[in-house]
Amino acid sequence: AQSVTQLGSHVSVSEGALVLLRCNYSSSVPPYLFWYVQYPNQGLQLLLKYTSAATLVKGINGFEAEFKKSETSFHLTKPSAHMSDAAEYFCAVSRSNDYKLSFGAGTTVTVRA
Amino acid sequence: KAGVTQTPRYLIKTRGQQVTLSCSPISGHRSVSWYQQTPGQGLQFLFEYFSETQRNKGNFPGRFSGRQFSNSRSEMNVSTLELGDSALYLCASSPRLTQGRYEQYFGPGTRLTVT
Repeated sequence: AQSVTQLGSHVSVSEGALVLLRCNYSSSVPPYLFWYVQYPNQGLQLLLKYTSAATLVKGINGFEAEFKKSETSFHLTKPSAHMSDAAEYFCAVSRSNDYKLSFGAGTTVTVRA
Repeated sequence: KAGVTQTPRYLIKTRGQQVTLSCSPISGHRSVSWYQQTPGQGLQFLFEYFSETQRNKGNFPGRFSGRQFSNSRSEMNVSTLELGDSALYLCASSPRLTQGRYEQYFGPGTRLTVT
């Protein structure tokens, strides 16, 4: 079985500050990991993916994530928050032979001016 | 390239009725998955279709069903609607079987309200 834990249901940051969203996974086999963002009344947009290539993954909108097998983590960061980053972020995991995504509970990001 | 499209975007149904939701994947994508999103349970996997066959199924009752057509378009059906079926239903398509391409691309969702 595989699961994802996102630490912190809400994160508030100042514009220009570092954004750090935490994700830990449990998986019996090497996982594929994803971060998605959801804006109000919209679907999920893929930010970035880890599929066993480079451990530091760069995504869209200035986001990046680092896969750390020893810590079973896949934390998402952005050096400088922008007002447009206010949204809900989901970490997800799947196995290579299984297209079922298991999602974390999500983290809502608010950005203060 | 056009994204995943879902119709209708909003739907209001009465308890006991049935509903059919439609999803058109990104051109060239042959895998379609469905997810249910609710405030209480979060995002949950319903099922995945590939080449008109259900490949994987989540932990939902038999009232939830789906199918995929030869052009990869998919429909999901919920029979005997219950109040708890009120949710955002998301469809996602994937390139599948393309080496290294395991990501899924989501549509805007169908907001179902059961009264």
